[in-house]
Amino acid sequence: DIQMTQSPSSLSASVGDRVTITCRATHDISNYLAWYQQKPGKAPKSLIYAASRLQSGVPSRFSGSGSGTDFTLTISSLQPEDFASYYCQQYDSPPLTFGGGTKVEIK
Amino acid sequence: EVQLVESGGGLVQPGGSLRLSCAASGFTFSSYWMHWVRQAPGKGLVWVSRINSDGTYTSYADSVKGRFTISRDNAKNTLYLQMNSLTAEDTAVYYCMKMAPGFWGQGTLVTVSS
Repeated sequence: DIQMTQSPSSLSASVGDRVTITCRATHDISNYLAWYQQKPGKAPKSLIYAASRLQSGVPSRFSGSGSGTDFTLTISSLQPEDFASYYCQQYDSPPLTFGGGTKVEIK
Repeated sequence: EVQLVESGGGLVQPGGSLRLSCAASGFTFSSYWMHWVRQAPGKGLVWVSRINSDGTYTSYADSVKGRFTISRDNAKNTLYLQMNSLTAEDTAVYYCMKMAPGFWGQGTLVTVSS
C-alpha cells in the first residue's frame, strides 16, 4: 500500500500569512494527488486534483505543486474562512490512501 | 450543479447490516468511477471502496473486504454500499464521492452499537 505522510499535523498562522502543507508518498504516484479542505461538522470540499489543477470555484490563493512522491499545498494569503483541516489523497492505486491531515488554526 | 445525497445511515447492532445509497445528479453519473469514504468520530478520512463506471470493477480497503459490497445502478443514477457483519469499528460518517474533479456528498452517519 502507498502511505501518505502529511506535515505538519497542525499549524498556527495569522490572516495574511503564506501557508505551506506538504505530503509525501512512499511510492511514485505521478500526479495522482488531490487536496481537500474540511471544516468541523462539514463534508470535505475538493480544492485541487491532478496535483496542481484548481477545482472550479476554489479561490486562486490555493495552489498545488509536485509530482512523483513530494507534493505541496500553498495558501498564498490565509483568509479567515481558510481555518480548517486539510487532507491529501493519492489516487494512483488502491487503497486510495489519505494523509493524516493538517489542522490550520488561528494564531 | 453536481449533487451527491447519501441516505440509509442509522443505528445498527453489532453483526447487523445496512445499505447506504447515494443519489447523484448534475453530471453524467454513468461515465465516472465512484467512491465511498468514511470518517470515524474525531478521526481522519479513510477510503473504503470504489467502482468503475459500468460496475464491472470494484476494489475495497482491507478493513471492509468480504463484508462490504459496492454497486451502482446507472439507470437510477445511484451508488450503493451494502454493509454486513458490522462492528463498532465501522461507526463513522460515510461519504460518497466522485474524484478528479472531486465532489462529495454531505455524509450519512452509521452507528454500530448495542
